[in-house]
Amino acid sequence: QSALTQPASVSGSPGQAIAISCTGTSSDVGSYNYVAWYQQHPGKAPKLMIYDVNNRPSGVSNRFSGSKSGNTASLTISGLQAEDEADYYCCSYTSSNTLVFGSGTKVTVL
Amino acid sequence: EVQLVESGGGLVQPGGSLRLSCATSGFTFSDHNMDWVRQTPGKGLEWVGRSRSKTSSYTTEYAASVKGRFIISRDNSKKSLYLQMNALKIEDTAVYYCARGPPLGDYWGQGSLVTVSS
Repeated sequence: QSALTQPASVSGSPGQAIAISCTGTSSDVGSYNYVAWYQQHPGKAPKLMIYDVNNRPSGVSNRFSGSKSGNTASLTISGLQAEDEADYYCCSYTSSNTLVFGSGTKVTVL
Repeated sequence: EVQLVESGGGLVQPGGSLRLSCATSGFTFSDHNMDWVRQTPGKGLEWVGRSRSKTSSYTTEYAASVKGRFIISRDNSKKSLYLQMNALKIEDTAVYYCARGPPLGDYWGQGSLVTVSS
């Protein structure tokens, strides 16, 4: 199972909105509404930001939102803040009853 | 308060074995899926495997890269999850996290470093 494809880096200025794509196949992203997004700061464990495509866990800012179209899922961060600078990973369930993560995207706040 | 604490990491030679533990507290362990996720230093996340909850009969699933070498088990009386790693390869070197679900990773441990080297 190959990793889902994410852009290596995305950047934006404070207050802007950015989007991170996560492209899979019809055997994972395209077939299941199980797509999650994680934020990871250096040296820290990942943090769940979005689950089941577009649901936010309690305590996660509503500046984070998720969506999916076909084999591609997206994470949008609106009103970009300095604290959003981190690595972001998507994750999808697969037809093999396994899970696959994305390659990861480094978000830089300019 | 939900807590997950991994232990058991260390240095092991290629071909060797190691067992990681994940001690949990603050929730009903048997009601939750528990996953292992690893991260090679400086690289991305890789799902290793899952022990499903009581309602799913504690069945397990594994990534192709570890299937047949790694075994996930759980002791519900001790609220602990285990990862038995056999026939270790250099490419298994990583920080290993245990994570609660569903959804996967609503809580994570701090990670345990496993280094496979001669």
